[in-house]
This record gives sequence, C-alpha cells and structure tokens, in this order.
Amino acid sequence: DVKVTQSSRYLVKRTGEKVFLECVQDMDHENMFWYRQDPGLGLRLIYFSYDVKMKEKGDIPEGYSVSREKKERFSLILESASTNQTSMYLCASSPPTKNTEAFFGQGTRLTVV
Amino acid sequence: AQSVTQPDIHITVSEGASLELRCNYSYGATPYLFWYVQSPGQGLQLLLKYFSGDTLVQGIKGFEAEFKRSQSSFNLRKPSVHWSDAAEYFCAVEGGSYIPTFGRGTSLIVHP
Repeated sequence: DVKVTQSSRYLVKRTGEKVFLECVQDMDHENMFWYRQDPGLGLRLIYFSYDVKMKEKGDIPEGYSVSREKKERFSLILESASTNQTSMYLCASSPPTKNTEAFFGQGTRLTVV
Repeated sequence: AQSVTQPDIHITVSEGASLELRCNYSYGATPYLFWYVQSPGQGLQLLLKYFSGDTLVQGIKGFEAEFKRSQSSFNLRKPSVHWSDAAEYFCAVEGGSYIPTFGRGTSLIVHP
C-alpha cells in the first residue's frame, strides 16, 4: 500500500522557534508538495520539489523554506514560527506523469503560541 | 494559470437523498480533473479523476462526476448519501505542470 508519512500529527511550538515538519514517501515519487490548509481557503501550495535538491516556490512561500536531500524525504522549515502560521500542513507526492493523482499524508496540525 | 471554484462552502442533505457538489475550473486546454475527500483529521483521499474519453467517470464509494467542457464544470454526484459521507470535498485541476490546484472545498453535512 502506498504511503506518505508525516512525522507528527500535532505540534505546539512557541513564537520564534525554528520548526521542522518532516514527510517521507515510500513510492519512489519524484514530485513532492507542501500545502497549507485553512478553513475557507482550501489547500494552498507552499513549496514544490520535482527532484532531489530541487525546489520551487508555490503560492505562499513567505516564512517557509524546504529541504530535499533524499528522494523520499521532503522537509518544511519554519525559520521563526509566528502565530499566523498556526494551521494544518499537508504533504503529498506524485510521479511525474499526467495521469496520476497526488497521494497525501495525514497532516500535521501546528499550533504556534 | 489554472484555477478551481467550488461555489458552495457548505451543503446539507438528508441521509438517502441525492447529492451534487459543484466545481468549475479555468484552464486553457483540456485539464486533468480530480475529486478528493477528506474525513475529519485526515489527509485527502482520491474519489475519482478525469483525463480524457468518457465524460462520466465513476469513482469509489458510489460517487461519479461528469466533465462538461462547454460549462468548464466537473460536478460530483451521488444518488443516495450515507451518514459516513459527511466530510470535506475538494475539486482539483492540473494542467501541464504536474502541480494540482485545489478549490476551497465544500463541507458536506448529512442529517439522519
């Protein structure tokens, strides 16, 4: 069974902390994504990676960075967490083909206090 | 640029009633279209997808969707809703970039 695993379901961090959200996929997919989900706003793309060490900014990259040192792992980094980054974060992966859907992790609910 | 509009934020139906969730997309060519479902506290699961061919596609859990190019729509339907269908539903479009763009979602509430 295909799987995308996010390391934490729930996180509580303090303002100003550096936060790492980890995502691992076991499907050998080239593409990986980080989305942020907020009520009424749907899923908004933060960053996208199409290969190891490659990344592209999505629609809302401000305040975030990413790292992809290995094909199976894609990390989202909040350099200095702020309360407006309290949200649900979803990781996804997909192969580089046009006829395949994205596979999602369970999500990480991050609260910044 | 590609975009998706889900005009209904919330939909309430009675168990056993039929359901239609609306989705309109914007994309210059024939898009790749998806419907996903998200149960509370979970990630997204694919219900169905459309790439080409028959414009009526069948998915899991008894859902279907119809692609209408003239209306730029990809509406999701189910003939008889079950209480377990209560969830958030997302329509997504993908053009040539391999990056799906999602709508804002429709929350389905099912009354017994």
